[in-house]
Amino acid sequence: EAQLLESGGGLVQPGGSLRLSCAASGFTFDDYAMSWVRQVPGKGLEWVSGISASGSSTYYADSVKGRFTISRDNSKNTLSLQMNSLRAEDTAVYYCAKDLRRTGTTNFDYWGQGTLVTVSS
Amino acid sequence: EIVLTQSPGTLSLSPGERATLSCRASQSVGTSYLGWYQQKPGQAPRLLMSGASSRATGIPDRFSGSGSGTDFTLTISRLEPEDFAVYYCQQYGSSPQTFGQGTKVEMK
Repeated sequence: EAQLLESGGGLVQPGGSLRLSCAASGFTFDDYAMSWVRQVPGKGLEWVSGISASGSSTYYADSVKGRFTISRDNSKNTLSLQMNSLRAEDTAVYYCAKDLRRTGTTNFDYWGQGTLVTVSS
Repeated sequence: EIVLTQSPGTLSLSPGERATLSCRASQSVGTSYLGWYQQKPGQAPRLLMSGASSRATGIPDRFSGSGSGTDFTLTISRLEPEDFAVYYCQQYGSSPQTFGQGTKVEMK
């Protein structure tokens, strides 16, 4: 069965940077697009960014465009999210999610357990 | 971006009852590019439906989805104790994909 394990969350000051990672196992990683979805504790879900199976196409929500960069290393079955110029409103649990397809962002059939990012001084 | 509005906000029902959850889109989501997720406290979301009406792997048949265009419904035919949770709809027909604000199904 597919497993996704996020790491890298923590407390960071406004304007700071953080890099999230997601280690994937149990499926052929380079066959599927991947995404990051975030959730403010007690609130709803917000799609943040996605990347195609090959890594050649990336997608971003307007709220993070120009500040976040998604990438993947198919040789290491790892997904990453580089977050720069962090703001208080970026505070959330960040989930790594496996897409049903190779390209675009569609439905997510496997999710990690999430990693909490807190942006505060 | 497409805004998804879910109703009701909270549904109070008893085990064995039927639950009907609504998701309305601010514009057409295309050829039923809509999914449904279930989330329990402290857990990640779980995919229930894709393509508006196709159950994901392992999802029991008491869950069904319907609708097209702008109006979609998730129905749970007979609530089991494990079905009490928050349910989110998600559209992926238009970029960026978006989620509804959620419907909480609570035990009466």
